[in-house]
Amino acid sequence: KAGVTQTPRYLIKTRGQQVTLSCSPISGHRSVSWYQQTPGQGLQFLFEYFSETQRNKGNFPGRFSGRQFSNSRSEMNVSTLELGDSALYLCASSLVAGLNTEAFFGQGTRLTVV
Amino acid sequence: ELKVEQNPLFLSMQEGKNYTIYCNYSTTSDRLYWYRQDPGKSLESLFVLLSNGAVKQEGRLMASLDTKARLSTLHITAAVHDLSATYFCAVVRDMRFGAGTRLTVKP
Repeated sequence: KAGVTQTPRYLIKTRGQQVTLSCSPISGHRSVSWYQQTPGQGLQFLFEYFSETQRNKGNFPGRFSGRQFSNSRSEMNVSTLELGDSALYLCASSLVAGLNTEAFFGQGTRLTVV
Repeated sequence: ELKVEQNPLFLSMQEGKNYTIYCNYSTTSDRLYWYRQDPGKSLESLFVLLSNGAVKQEGRLMASLDTKARLSTLHITAAVHDLSATYFCAVVRDMRFGAGTRLTVKP
């Protein structure tokens, strides 16, 4: 059974650009959550999607957005990139929504903003 | 605002010794996760604790949950080098993670 797949694995962008990250959940999982991990702030919850609807949102500015497709794949977009957006972005999938079931994490996308 | 506090943040242990990592959280939650992260890698699920008094064990690691005290512990028994990693607890309600405990096990 394939795990959670995130693409790309590494990305370098310039300040002011935008970026789109992709996450394919484990087959059969319908919930996808996104997290940002930085040395300074640790692991922070961005948002959760279930059945193409955003169900939960963390405390991030509107530059961070996401969506989920009918096949449960999810994308996360960050517009007007700032240096502080450099981080490891992790996606996790679970069977159902509500964060009450075990979440499995992908390998992450390491974003560097220069 | 929900706070999740882990301690210690850094832990250096000798092989063969026992130690406990603590995870305190500031609001009611009856479910909690423990994860392991190796350098440069993603998070690996260790334990899912679903109710007050839950205790789970896997190898040299044992996790417990006391929802009344808002406390979870991760106990390490007879540590070995392979356990060196960063360990995170996460409160399910808001998926809020602790800062992580960086464990180093020395021979």
